[in-house]
Amino acid sequence: GENVEQHPSTLSVQEGDSAVIKCTYSDSASNYFPWYKQELGKRPQLIIDIRSNVGEKKDQRIAVTLNKTAKHFSLHITETQPEDSAVYFCAASKEKSGTSYGKLTFGQGTILTVHP
Amino acid sequence: SAVISQKPSRDICQRGTSLTIQCQVDSQVTMMFWYRQQPGQSLTLIATANQGSEATYESGFVIDKFPISRPNLTFSTLTVSNMSPEDSSIYLCSAQGGQGQPQHFGDGTRLSIL
Repeated sequence: GENVEQHPSTLSVQEGDSAVIKCTYSDSASNYFPWYKQELGKRPQLIIDIRSNVGEKKDQRIAVTLNKTAKHFSLHITETQPEDSAVYFCAASKEKSGTSYGKLTFGQGTILTVHP
Repeated sequence: SAVISQKPSRDICQRGTSLTIQCQVDSQVTMMFWYRQQPGQSLTLIATANQGSEATYESGFVIDKFPISRPNLTFSTLTVSNMSPEDSSIYLCSAQGGQGQPQHFGDGTRLSIL
């Protein structure tokens, strides 16, 4: 089955700096890669996602890049703010696959702390 | 996106008992899933809740321990049976409207077993 590795496990930055979180996946058939933000005691919230037919996607201060050949994808947060502090999870799944449709395999998570 | 409500939000249970968690979505969705998140850990898929048929379980999870129902396109239940302290965890329901649509999560049920 799919295996997703996420690094680093913790990341501490100063407000205004950029933060980068990296994930690798094992199953070359995976084609959908969402990122979730989970604040303490809250639900995971989708912040951005990317499909394998594109290499990069951007939404304001957040961007995700995908390298299908190397099987890795990354989350980039620019101009970080204290409210960006949370646990971030990457995930992978296979869309349009009869028995695997929608199943998400998550990375281990990254605790991001943004210091004012 | 769909609004996903879970009940109860938390519970403290005695070992050997069972608890049923409910998940209600405010619109019809194609896929519903149940995940477990142990304290300080990532999310692990327990099973896919199939409407009108038996759930599809992931490796390490069995129907006798985690029976799941999905009577319609907006509702599912997960039962944690014969609970032990190792079952203390957050249980999360998620829903996906259709192929190509993102998956969203409920607030979770925080379960503690004494």
